[in-house]
Amino acid sequence: RKEVEQDPGPFNVPEGATVAFNCTYSNSASQSFFWYRQDCRKEPKLLMSVYSSGNEDGRFTAQLNRASQYISLLIRDSKLSDSATYLCVVLSGGYNKLIFGAGTRLAVHP
Amino acid sequence: DTGVSQDPRHKITKRGQNVTFRCDPISEHNRLYWYRQTLGQGPEFLTYFQNEAQLEKSRLLSDRFSAERPKGSFSTLEIQRTEQGDSAMYLCASSPSAADTQYFGPGTRLTVL
Repeated sequence: RKEVEQDPGPFNVPEGATVAFNCTYSNSASQSFFWYRQDCRKEPKLLMSVYSSGNEDGRFTAQLNRASQYISLLIRDSKLSDSATYLCVVLSGGYNKLIFGAGTRLAVHP
Repeated sequence: DTGVSQDPRHKITKRGQNVTFRCDPISEHNRLYWYRQTLGQGPEFLTYFQNEAQLEKSRLLSDRFSAERPKGSFSTLEIQRTEQGDSAMYLCASSPSAADTQYFGPGTRLTVL
């Protein structure tokens, strides 16, 4: 079983739609959680950190449920420019490395 | 540009050849990480340095792979006797300390023919 699991998608949505991605992680000792965005053939870039209390950054909302070991990302009012792969990422318990899910592809169409 | 830089951006080599990649982290970042990403997968951890000390290596890092960070600044990743299975994007990241955000370079895309 992979340490971080995501639905690979693709999610094909129209502009303006709301879309949600889910992710589960297996190591209960994990300390920090993130969503990274990766455009085709580019490097991953931090989208946002994820906190137990939930956090919002504009159209993006991230939630963490430690009891269920579950992370989510909600994107409201999707834009064409949101088309990318979204990587669910966990910082290992020893703070030594990031553990990535395989990514969820999002395609926003006009 | 004060971000993480990597060189070369692309490398095509024949099976059995040796290749070396370079990573220049963000200035004053103590931690430097190497990851590998294959098509359709997320990046996988290879190794990391705290200053010049290499503190952890993944089982993915076979004895054909070696990484150095001799002066605690730039790092090199060498692959000896390349195999077709080594074809991937090799990503370098740096962070000020352990729990801080890791910033990624643009990667080196390796193709082994």
